[in-house]
Amino acid sequence: RKEVEQDPGPFNVPEGATVAFNCTYSNSASQSFFWYRQDCRKEPKLLMSVYSSGNEDGRFTAQLNRASQYISLLIRDSKLSDSATYLCVVKRDGGFKTIFGAGTRLFVKA
Amino acid sequence: DVKVTQSSRYLVKRTGEKVFLECVQDMDHENMFWYRQDPGLGLRLIYFSYDVKMKEKGDIPEGYSVSREKKERFSLILESASTNQTSMYLCASSLSRGGEQYFGPGTRLTVT
Repeated sequence: RKEVEQDPGPFNVPEGATVAFNCTYSNSASQSFFWYRQDCRKEPKLLMSVYSSGNEDGRFTAQLNRASQYISLLIRDSKLSDSATYLCVVKRDGGFKTIFGAGTRLFVKA
Repeated sequence: DVKVTQSSRYLVKRTGEKVFLECVQDMDHENMFWYRQDPGLGLRLIYFSYDVKMKEKGDIPEGYSVSREKKERFSLILESASTNQTSMYLCASSLSRGGEQYFGPGTRLTVT
């Protein structure tokens, strides 16, 4: 079993839709959590960190549930430009260990 | 603007060749990383370095070595390339171990 698991998708949604991704992690010692975005044939880039209290950045909301060991990403009012692969990232061991999920693909269609 | 550069975007090598992948960052970051990315497997850490001349094995170090002689440069070496090392190789750097990682554009290596 992988330490960080994501639904690979793809998620196909119309513009304006709300879409949510979940990511589960198996190591309870995990300390910090992130969502990265990777466009086709490009490098990953940080989308947002995920805090215990949940956090929002414009149309994006991230949540962390330590008890159930999952994090989520909610995208509201989807845009065509949101089409990408979203990578769940977990760090532990004081940041020495970084584990990436395999990613969830999102296609937003007009 | 932060910048991580990698020496090649595409590389084709023969089985058994020694391969050098170079990565340079201009952000004075302490930490540098080498990953490979394969479909369905995501990014897997090969090696990382938290200081000059320091290195730590990641999850899949077998068949690879690294060199960090200067703070800004982190090299990945495939001692004897094999076909199962065909992959996308991504270099990253970060200011702190737990902080945001900035990635280079990647090198797509094909070993024939």
